[in-house]
Amino acid sequence: DADVTQTPRNRITKTGKRIMLECSQTKGHDRMYWYRQDPGLGLRLIYYSFDVKDINKGEISDGYSVSRQAQAKFSLSLESAIPNQTALYFCATSDPLARADTQYFGPGTRLTVL
Amino acid sequence: AQTVTQSQPEMSVQEAETVTLSCTYDTSESDYYLFWYKQPPSRQMILVIRQEAYKQQNATENRFSVNFQKAAKSFSLKISDSQLGDAAMYFCAYRSLNAGGTSYGKLTFGQGTILTVHP
Repeated sequence: DADVTQTPRNRITKTGKRIMLECSQTKGHDRMYWYRQDPGLGLRLIYYSFDVKDINKGEISDGYSVSRQAQAKFSLSLESAIPNQTALYFCATSDPLARADTQYFGPGTRLTVL
Repeated sequence: AQTVTQSQPEMSVQEAETVTLSCTYDTSESDYYLFWYKQPPSRQMILVIRQEAYKQQNATENRFSVNFQKAAKSFSLKISDSQLGDAAMYFCAYRSLNAGGTSYGKLTFGQGTILTVHP
């Protein structure tokens, strides 16, 4: 079984709809992250959480919100989706006590906003 | 803020040959981590290799090795004995260790290099 899972894997929605992307992990890591990938731009950080009570904005947090429901779960919400939020979304986890605080990624969610 | 630049949008290599992917970064920090991730068509982001800036020795992982030039702020990836399964997008990434900085905790990625492996 995968250590970091994301649901759904693919989603098509319409402008103005509320969307939630979910991330779960069995790695036991305290730190979790949400990134988005756009062609030619690499991955950019949306939000991150260093523990259940900690939430921090990344470089492109506008239009997004997150919830850290438990150590193992970190959800990303788009309150009112717009077409330029069409992207590939990745969840990642890390353990600050492990080598280089290496981040491990889920399989990604392809989101299309029409 | 740190920036990471991969100046080669695309590279190609013959199977069994060696290829080097370039990465440069800009930072004023003295301690940080560097990574190479691979993204095959399955879109999964897979860790290839990592380097701590305080280590002078270049990291190696089987057929993958890096040339870390701290003064030049360069972090290239060498793939030896290339295989068809190495075909993917490769991303270089920087991780700040400055706990008081705005970049702490995040990976800063380059734009990626698409590697094609010819049989």
